[in-house]
Amino acid sequence: DTGVSQNPRHKITKRGQNVTFRCDPISEHNRLYWYRQTLGQGPEFLTYFQNEAQLEKSRLLSDRFSAERPKGSFSTLEIQRTEQGDSAMYLCASSWDTDQPQHFGDGTRLSIL
Amino acid sequence: DAKTTQPPSMDCAEGRAANLPCNHSTISGNEYVYWYRQIHSQGPQYIIHGLKNNETNEMASLIITEDRKSSTLILPHATLRDTAVYYCISNTGTASKLTFGTGTRLQVTL
Repeated sequence: DTGVSQNPRHKITKRGQNVTFRCDPISEHNRLYWYRQTLGQGPEFLTYFQNEAQLEKSRLLSDRFSAERPKGSFSTLEIQRTEQGDSAMYLCASSWDTDQPQHFGDGTRLSIL
Repeated sequence: DAKTTQPPSMDCAEGRAANLPCNHSTISGNEYVYWYRQIHSQGPQYIIHGLKNNETNEMASLIITEDRKSSTLILPHATLRDTAVYYCISNTGTASKLTFGTGTRLQVTL
């Protein structure tokens, strides 16, 4: 059972550029979550999918952010026109339905120059 | 805002039991207590969760008070590799999101 996989692990980009991250959940997990974590803070929820349906979005997810999970398997998180404040660790997690715990990947660290 | 309260930091000698407390005085009847830990530069790792009964797995034990207002995570024989930030979270089982606080930074020393 491979864990949650996130790519790339690190991304450095200039302000104003678009970036896209990928998350591959644990096989057959139908729930997929995105979180963001800044230095010294716990992860903050961004959005989640059940299969291909995006069921909840945080107010943190501005209109520059978009997430997709087109076939109910992997997911992508895109940030358009990146800003300095977008610098953070972006974490993906997945779980079975109901009360099973979420399992996290090791994240993508985004640095905005 | 996080619904749990944890001490910001704790120390533990290697080989001794680490007892990490968590206060969740406003927990509702259908909310579980989850524990995760995060080692530097890694994603959070699930440890254990429980509703009202004490739980034990290969990593840790979870002791929940009878009134469910607090709990303790016990690492029976702490090692240097247990140095991490430990998060206690109260959450309904089917909720979409985990609300993390700032956790307890556990430092295991020789």
